[in-house]
Amino acid sequence: QVQLQESGPGLVKPSQTLSLTCTVSGGSISSGSYYWSWIRQPAGKGLEWIGRIYTSGSTNYNPSLKSRVTISVDTSKNQFSLKLSSVTAADTAVYYCARERLHYMDVWGKGTTVTVSS
Amino acid sequence: DIQMTQSPSSLSASVGDRVTITCRASQSISSYLNWYQQKPGKAPKLLIYAASSLQSGVPSRFSGSGSGTDFTLTISSLQPEDFATYYCQQSYSTPRTFGQGTRLEIK
Repeated sequence: QVQLQESGPGLVKPSQTLSLTCTVSGGSISSGSYYWSWIRQPAGKGLEWIGRIYTSGSTNYNPSLKSRVTISVDTSKNQFSLKLSSVTAADTAVYYCARERLHYMDVWGKGTTVTVSS
Repeated sequence: DIQMTQSPSSLSASVGDRVTITCRASQSISSYLNWYQQKPGKAPKLLIYAASSLQSGVPSRFSGSGSGTDFTLTISSLQPEDFATYYCQQSYSTPRTFGQGTRLEIK
């Protein structure tokens, strides 16, 4: 049973870079035809897709965030990561990682709260 | 981007009621439509994928239908654990986009 767990700082200063890691357990990040995704949710609001990475390393980003987002994968650690630069208070949210297979996200992490504040 | 619009935004219902939530896409997405359930403080949970396929382990009282631009999620007989927020999501193209959510509350 594949499980995902987000980790990273819970507090980031404005203009700095938010960095999160998602650790995959119960299976290899390299096996199967999966995309590994990041989604966020500001408090009391809806879900926003940030982007995804395929096991080959190819990426897709939300155009609204594309200039600030980098998603990468480290197969040796069975992890994938999110970097979001030049953050503002608007980037304060719960960040989720998820696995996408065959066009649906079937496994999600529990989420991690990131607050942007000085 | 493909815009997803859900209705209603909130809904009050009683245990045992039949409930339908609708989702409309701004362009045709074939059957690339998924439904998720989210409870407070929890991650979304996949209920329905490809418009009408029930995810493993999800009770059969949940069903989905539709294709093209119009989709529905139906709960045939509401149970206490079904009170949550429901989101539709299109997987026809990137960026993936979600509906704004439908909050299902106890009447």
